[in-house]
Parts: sequence; structure tokens; C-alpha cells
Amino acid sequence: EVHLVESGGGLVQPGGTLRLSCAGSGFTFSSNAMTWVRQAPGKGLEWVSALSGSGNTTYYADSVRGRFTISRDNSKNTLYLQMNGLRAEDTAIYYCAKDLANVVVNGFDHWGQGTPVTVSS
Amino acid sequence: SYVLTQPPSVSVAPGQTATIPCGGDNIGSKSVHWYQQRPGQAPVMVIYFDTDRPSGIPERLSASNSGNTATLTISRVEAGDEADYFCQVWDSTKMHVVFGGGTKLTVL
Repeated sequence: EVHLVESGGGLVQPGGTLRLSCAGSGFTFSSNAMTWVRQAPGKGLEWVSALSGSGNTTYYADSVRGRFTISRDNSKNTLYLQMNGLRAEDTAIYYCAKDLANVVVNGFDHWGQGTPVTVSS
Repeated sequence: SYVLTQPPSVSVAPGQTATIPCGGDNIGSKSVHWYQQRPGQAPVMVIYFDTDRPSGIPERLSASNSGNTATLTISRVEAGDEADYFCQVWDSTKMHVVFGGGTKLTVL
């Protein structure tokens, strides 16, 4: 059974940094692209970033490009999101999700339960 | 940038059929995926590649995609279907994932 468990969220001041982690199990981690999706309180889903199975190809939403970095360690079955220069509008629950395929971004067939990030002074 | 448009809400009586549209420019040329999100829970994929159902998703849920509209159809609606539903595509021009704004399904 596929499991995705996020961690690393919390309260941070504007301009601060956080690193989110997502531990995967129950599937061959390197065989699937992975993505981060966030959801602000009371709002819809917003895609943040995606990464191919090998880690060689990355994609970012315009709202986070240059501030966030997605990466993965396939030896540890873990996906990361390094978030720098955090802003109040980054406040959201951050979900990691497993892609249907390895390279090109498709749909997301398994999701973690999410980790909350609050950016506030 | 590519935009997906969903109605904010749809209401239906138990046992009836709910249809949730997702509009986008020539969306029929893209692969559409649908997610269900119950309150306080993570999203769950209910349809992938326009019409396919993941294992465990009931046959009451079906979908189509043509022209400028993709549609999620829920037959014989039950109270447990009450949730937010999101459509999603990959915009290969901008290399971005795009979600629709979501539709709240209310079972009367």
C-alpha cells in the first residue's frame, strides 16, 4: 500500500525558511514523478512544483520560482521542498503527491495528509 | 496562462445525477484528472486520463472530455459524495499543472 508522509511544516516569520519532507513507501519511489500542491485556508488547490523520477527535471509555479527548490533523495525514498523568502501568501497546507508516471507530469494517484505552513510575524 | 473554470457549487438530491463541468480552451485535447476532497481530508483521485477510474472508485462516478468542456458525472448520488471536486490538467505550453477552482457538491 502506498503511503506518503509529510513533515517539516510550522510557524515561520516572513522572509524565513522551511524545508518540507515527504517520505514515500509501498512503491518504487524512483519510478514516479512527485509533486507538491498547497491549499490556503478555505481555498482551492494550487500546484507548487514537480520533479521527475530521476530528479533531473523540475517544474515550478510562477508564484514560487526562485524562492522554492524541489529535490529528492531516491536512496531515502524522500521528496523535499526547500522554501526560502517565505511570504504571508505562502500560508497553506502543503501536500506531496505521487504522479501516475515517471517523467511528464500527469495526474496524482496518491496524496499525503499534508503539513501546515504558517507565515506570520 | 491556461485556465480551468468550474462552477463554485452544485446541488443535487439523493439518488439523482450530479454533473460537474470543467471548462477550458480546447480541453478535449488534454488529459483531465479529477479529485474528490472531503472536509478536512487530503484530495483523492477519482478519475484519471479523462475517463479511467482508480481501483476502489465506484462505477457511479464517470467522466467525459470533449471540445471545451470536461464533465464529471456522479450517478445515484449519496450523502457520502458531498465534497469538493477539482479538475486538473498539464499545461505543456507553460510546463505547469493547472487546477480548476473546485466545485462544492451539496447533497440536499
